[in-house]
Amino acid sequence: SQTIHQWPATLVQPVGSPLSLECTVEGTSNPNLYWYRQAAGRGLQLLFYSVGIGQISSEVPQNLSASRPQDRQFILSSKKLLLSDSGFYLCAWTGTASGTEAFFGQGTRLTVV
Amino acid sequence: GENVEQHPSTLSVQEGDSAVIKCTYSDSASNYFPWYKQELGKGPQLIIDIRSNVGEKKDQRIAVTLNKTAKHFSLHITETQPEDSAVYFCAASPSGTYKYIFGTGTRLKVLA
Repeated sequence: SQTIHQWPATLVQPVGSPLSLECTVEGTSNPNLYWYRQAAGRGLQLLFYSVGIGQISSEVPQNLSASRPQDRQFILSSKKLLLSDSGFYLCAWTGTASGTEAFFGQGTRLTVV
Repeated sequence: GENVEQHPSTLSVQEGDSAVIKCTYSDSASNYFPWYKQELGKGPQLIIDIRSNVGEKKDQRIAVTLNKTAKHFSLHITETQPEDSAVYFCAASPSGTYKYIFGTGTRLKVLA
């Protein structure tokens, strides 16, 4: 069966420090991969999605970047964190067909202090 | 641009009553409409979905209806139970894209 792993679960980082969140998927090949951010009391904002290795689409201009070095690995990064980067970050995957179920990881709660 | 509005933001019902959450989407090319349930500190999980060629779908106590003309879709939960308490998100996915545009969520509280 397919599983998605996301880590760490919680992270407290000072302003100006770098960030690296990792997400891996098991049990499937060539998944579409997504990073979402969920601010407190708000919906899920799509940050990045990827349909293949090295292919990244950015949905909103921001202080973050994403990379997909391997088929089932998706990384969210920042060189210098801002206070506004605090939030709950979710990785998700879907199959290659459009309009299919998205499977989410357990999320990373990032607090920038 | 693409947008999904969701109402209400919070909903409290007595155990055993029904709950209804409504969403409106802007992109008429959307053809897939999932509903997700998110429990505290966890990632969302799919509870039901509907495609644009269907007007209604039911799975036990949960049902979803879709009005393509009005670009509305709704989640109906009957005989609510305390374990239904969670945040519910609707989403719309435009045809031919890999994007899922989510609503802002509804916090449902089922009072025992």
